[in-house]
Amino acid sequence: GAVVSQHPSWVICKSGTSVKIECRSLDFQATTMFWYRQFPKQSLMLMATSNEGSKATYEQGVEKDKFLINHASLTLSTLTVTSAHPEDSSFYICSARVPGERNEQFFGPGTRLTVL
Amino acid sequence: LAKTTQPISMDSYEGQEVNITCSHNNIATNDYITWYQQFPSQGPRFIIQGYKTKVTNEVASLFIPADRKSSTLSLPRVSLSDTAVYYCLVGDKRDNYGQNFVFGPGTRLSVLP
Repeated sequence: GAVVSQHPSWVICKSGTSVKIECRSLDFQATTMFWYRQFPKQSLMLMATSNEGSKATYEQGVEKDKFLINHASLTLSTLTVTSAHPEDSSFYICSARVPGERNEQFFGPGTRLTVL
Repeated sequence: LAKTTQPISMDSYEGQEVNITCSHNNIATNDYITWYQQFPSQGPRFIIQGYKTKVTNEVASLFIPADRKSSTLSLPRVSLSDTAVYYCLVGDKRDNYGQNFVFGPGTRLSVLP
């Protein structure tokens, strides 16, 4: 089946620093990837839709200047949390669409971000 | 307006069949119904997808009535490892618009020994 990886799986950083999270589709090309954030005991919240070669589409309430998304190739999308603060601590999950008949969405394992 | 509603939690015992129902009264003609499973600190995992009637795979069955305003995920003979959160999503699978893939609160299934 389609495999999506994320790196790093967890990261701890100081307040004010920037953190980059990578999302890769390992065995297929993904023209569209999605970024989600999940707080403890809550559901996934869609942050943005990332399309290869174009600007990401952000959901209402998500600051595009704080959460920079780059989808430079068909297998890689990155999310950079700029000037991170403790309230940005969360579980970040990406997903990639498998094109074709089933058009399924496969999820990465997630990245646990802790901002001190 | 939420696209789907599910029970917040369910309890079951090992070996039992579990049925989780999702309501999606405003489902559109082109929408498909997809179910995901999520364990703590992991990304969701695809379980099953359907459009109408019944779909079955090696892990679950999905029952969809004629009006498609609800769907039921059926897990046969659950085990302790099936304890997870189950999400029902409704959307046009051909669409790349992210709002078609909004997660509801999900159903937290606890399987007891």
